[in-house]
Amino acid sequence: GQQVMQIPQYQHVQEGEDFTTYCNSSTTLSNIQWYKQRPGGHPVFLIQLVKSGEVKKQKRLTFQFGEAKKNSSLHITATQTTDVGTYFCAGLISANKLIFGAGTRLAVHP
Amino acid sequence: NAGVMQNPRHLVRRRGQEARLRCSPMKGHSHVYWYRQLPEEGLKFMVYLQKENIIDESGMPKERFSAEFPKEGPSILRIQQVVRGDSAAYFCASSPRVSGIMNTEAFFGQGTRLTVV
Repeated sequence: GQQVMQIPQYQHVQEGEDFTTYCNSSTTLSNIQWYKQRPGGHPVFLIQLVKSGEVKKQKRLTFQFGEAKKNSSLHITATQTTDVGTYFCAGLISANKLIFGAGTRLAVHP
Repeated sequence: NAGVMQNPRHLVRRRGQEARLRCSPMKGHSHVYWYRQLPEEGLKFMVYLQKENIIDESGMPKERFSAEFPKEGPSILRIQQVVRGDSAAYFCASSPRVSGIMNTEAFFGQGTRLTVV
């Protein structure tokens, strides 16, 4: 079946260190979206990438979409305690069906 | 413009009872998704609906689970004869009408935490 794989499952960093999570799809995606879920909260949309090779930045966050539109990454520079949460990628597979990766849980130690 | 509203926020059911979870999408949104999330796990796609139509229910268990999105009123996820394994957070998300591949951002509700005792 159509899957979106995400690694790593967990990441512990010291405040100030960088963090990267990777997302891979078994099929070509129409677009890729990234969401953040704080502990006890609900997923909140961060960004959407549509074009092959696209790179977008939001302050300390950098999002990339692979050339083949099958993989994506989220990189956070100089993490802060406010970055704590689970980061999900979600691929638009077909007919508006959004498939989520398993998420990467980020812990930031002060 | 109110966000996606889910109720109840917390629901406790005894084994064998029925659970009804409601989701009112954002105004103007015609697409609704239901996802299930076990503690410390990812979001599992269950079903995708448009008004009066089930578009994709490939993530729904074959038995006991059903979903609807009527012309009027909220979307309903119904679980009959609940078992302990149904305990999870159930999230609803809505998105606006899609033109091509744009505007597919999903807005999530705060979820319903179902506990089966």
